[in-house]
Amino acid sequence: EAGVTQSPTHLIKTRGQQVTLRCSPISGHTSVYWYQQALGLGLQFLLWYDEGEERNRGNFPPRFSGRQFPNYSSELNVNALELEDSALYLCASRKLQVTYEQYFGPGTRLTVT
Amino acid sequence: AQSVTQLDSQVPVFEEAPVELRCNYSSSVSVYLFWYVQYPNQGLQLLLKYLSGSTLVKGINGFEAEFNKSQTSFHLRKPSVHISDTAEYFCAVSEPGGYQKVTFGIGTKLQVIP
Repeated sequence: EAGVTQSPTHLIKTRGQQVTLRCSPISGHTSVYWYQQALGLGLQFLLWYDEGEERNRGNFPPRFSGRQFPNYSSELNVNALELEDSALYLCASRKLQVTYEQYFGPGTRLTVT
Repeated sequence: AQSVTQLDSQVPVFEEAPVELRCNYSSSVSVYLFWYVQYPNQGLQLLLKYLSGSTLVKGINGFEAEFNKSQTSFHLRKPSVHISDTAEYFCAVSEPGGYQKVTFGIGTKLQVIP
């Protein structure tokens, strides 16, 4: 069984630019979570999608947005990038109503210069 | 609202010594508890989980954790650590219910010293 995949693995952007990160969940998992892991701040919950709907949102500004597609893959979009957006962005998937475990991808390392 | 506190940001320990990583949580209802491990440059991997039943939970790689409801704790232990256990460990809590999100602690970096 293939695990959660994320693309790209690394990304360098300039302040003010926009970025799109992608995540493919494990087959059969309908829920996708996005987290930001900035240095020294642990995992900060960003967004949660299930069955194409946004189910919960963390304490992040509106320039962080995303969506989930009919095949349950997901995109995270960040507009007007700021230096403090530099972080590892982790995606996780879960089989809702069956398990509480989240399965994580390897992450996308975003550097904003 | 639920929250998780990991009391130690870094824990150095000599190889083959025992280790305990501490985790306390707060919640107004019953909880599900998790420990995840993150090796350098990788995503998180589930070590163990407590959903119900026995309060002593055994996980992968020789780790175990004990759920203590009265002290609202879920400390992670290993009787003898190996160099390969060097990683960051995250405690997480979730309240029962389909759309309850999981809240992660800030992480504890375990450094095993040869």
